[in-house]
Amino acid sequence: IVLTQSPGTLSLSPGERATLSCRASQSVGSSYLVWYQQKSGQAPRLLIYAASSRATAIPDRFSGSGSGTDFTLTISRLEPEDFAVYYCQQYESSPSFGQGTKLEIK
Amino acid sequence: EVQLVESGGGLVQPGGSLRLSCAVSGFTVSSYYMSWVRQAPGKGLEWVSVFYSDGRTYYADSVKGRFTISRDNSKNTLDLQMNSLRAEDTAVYYCAREGRTYGNGMDVWGQGTTVTVS
Repeated sequence: IVLTQSPGTLSLSPGERATLSCRASQSVGSSYLVWYQQKSGQAPRLLIYAASSRATAIPDRFSGSGSGTDFTLTISRLEPEDFAVYYCQQYESSPSFGQGTKLEIK
Repeated sequence: EVQLVESGGGLVQPGGSLRLSCAVSGFTVSSYYMSWVRQAPGKGLEWVSVFYSDGRTYYADSVKGRFTISRDNSKNTLDLQMNSLRAEDTAVYYCAREGRTYGNGMDVWGQGTTVTVS
């Protein structure tokens, strides 16, 4: 399954709302779609699992939604520490990641 | 403290071999699904292999037949034996914990170890 994330780069200001998209080439069960955040030079951090469940210690400004082939990660009000690269991943078949969305400060 | 520490990376010639190790602390490796994920320089994440808690193993097509994942319960470690290395295997290799239920994401990651094939 190929995951396509859009946009490739998103330029926003702190306080704004961010909407990141992840589209799958085939249907993915909602239980098998996760989101990660990766900051430069660091390992990824699990944000969302089962499409909409926040991982431990993840702030509630992060939310996930979607089903089938279309999934969304929303950050309600951007904090300075949220600017990073975000990846979606699926477990419906052999695990795969999207190519990432870079969220940069405008 | 739950922690993963990778080691074994380095510079190797094409066709060579390398063995990565992931030292696990704070939990029992045999109770969890465990994966290796890699990231080529400036690129995105690529899943490499998974070791199920029941002992089954799976690989990405790009490494199948060349890489072998293994687990040492006595040492509480996860290893990745990499043979017939190619330039395209150059990457940071991360060890990650998948959790007790597979498919819920990788909730603990190591700091990564760098493999350069050149």
